[in-house]
Amino acid sequence: ETGVTQSPTHLIKTRGQQVTLRCSSQSGHNTVSWYQQALGQGPQFIFQYYREEENGRGNFPPRFSGLQFPNYSSELNVNALELDDSALYLCASSLGGELAGSYEQYFGPGTRLTVT
Amino acid sequence: SQELEQSPQSLIVQEGKNLTINCTSSKTLYGLYWYKQKYGEGLIFLMMLQKGGEEKSHEKITAKLDEKKQQSSLHITASQPSHAGIYLCGADNYGQNFVFGPGTRLSVLP
Repeated sequence: ETGVTQSPTHLIKTRGQQVTLRCSSQSGHNTVSWYQQALGQGPQFIFQYYREEENGRGNFPPRFSGLQFPNYSSELNVNALELDDSALYLCASSLGGELAGSYEQYFGPGTRLTVT
Repeated sequence: SQELEQSPQSLIVQEGKNLTINCTSSKTLYGLYWYKQKYGEGLIFLMMLQKGGEEKSHEKITAKLDEKKQQSSLHITASQPSHAGIYLCGADNYGQNFVFGPGTRLSVLP
């Protein structure tokens, strides 16, 4: 059984650019959630994908978008990067589709994004 | 929207000492989750509590959810340097999303 993996590990981008982060879910899990964690803060929920469809979204602007693929891996895309987007981006996989009660999540190591 | 607060913000203890971290919710909790995070890394799932009065233990870590389901505590007995890290509580926000507390940074001095 493989755990949750994320790529790349680190990334440096310039303000205004676009970025794509990738996540492979744990074997057997069909749900992926993405979080943004600024330095010294708890993770903030961006959105969740279940069976290739968005299944809940946090308070993030539309320039944060995602995809989930048939193998349940996922991408997080951020357009028009801003300095405040600098953070650790975490993905988590779980089994289940309903947001309530399906949060025994397993996290990847994260992607550290720096926007200059 | 549900909000979680944690106390203390940070904690430094001597190895072998017991400690408690608290998590308080602005609303009744559907499910309360505890995670541990090494600095700059992913989160490790520790425990999930759902029922009022529920208590779970794993090795030297015990978590409790109060009867009113608005507060949880995480207790570590005989702390070790391996317990050092950031402890985060998280909760299902009424089916809308998932929220985390700000975290408690624990340092254990050998």
